[in-house]
Amino acid sequence: SQQGEEDPQALSIQEGENATMNCSYKTSINNLQWYRQNSGRGLVHLILIRSNEREKHSGRLRVTLDTSKKSSSLLITASRAADTASYFCATQNSGGYQKVTFGTGTKLQVIP
Amino acid sequence: GAVVSQHPSRVICKSGTSVKIECRSLDFQATTMFWYRQFPKKSLMLMATSNEGSKATYEQGVEKDKFLINHASLTLSTLTVTSAHPEDSSFYICSAWTGLNTEAFFGQGTRLTVV
Repeated sequence: SQQGEEDPQALSIQEGENATMNCSYKTSINNLQWYRQNSGRGLVHLILIRSNEREKHSGRLRVTLDTSKKSSSLLITASRAADTASYFCATQNSGGYQKVTFGTGTKLQVIP
Repeated sequence: GAVVSQHPSRVICKSGTSVKIECRSLDFQATTMFWYRQFPKKSLMLMATSNEGSKATYEQGVEKDKFLINHASLTLSTLTVTSAHPEDSSFYICSAWTGLNTEAFFGQGTRLTVV
């Protein structure tokens, strides 16, 4: 099952520009995580934000979380060609066995 | 970060045979492991959640008799695709999780092709 949807599905920007991806989810969560996947490869964890946090930074990454709207955004500043990848949000739900489910993903292309 | 080793990375098998995929946490103990399936250019679909020493919890629509999951220890979970068919061809990824509000660590995935 898919927990979240991401928007946009695809994004193409010039190197140096900022990239913003949005994620919406459906159920109550413990945390939300962002992952990156290069084509046909495994996933790399980028950042985790807990349900009681509103904003988090890591290097060129900024993540916000709005639990009232059940949404999150990932901002990549000063993008580089090497940032080209698919980006997924994943939520760990509260209650039950805290499964981690993924959004639909945003395919980012950074043009040199 | 912690390392999760998934093996094999690629496998080709004939229709009707079974394939086992291993997922090992190398330097930590994983209380829970998740198995995902990913179709080309699509997101990861959670197939099942396994806890060490107990039966796996399968997501709706996933056949538990076809996708056998064994979580024998805190460092090893296996997914066996039984009586594989071409439609089972996909990218399978495992992840290991150490507890609440921690990141899940992912294996590099297994590309299964059934011919």
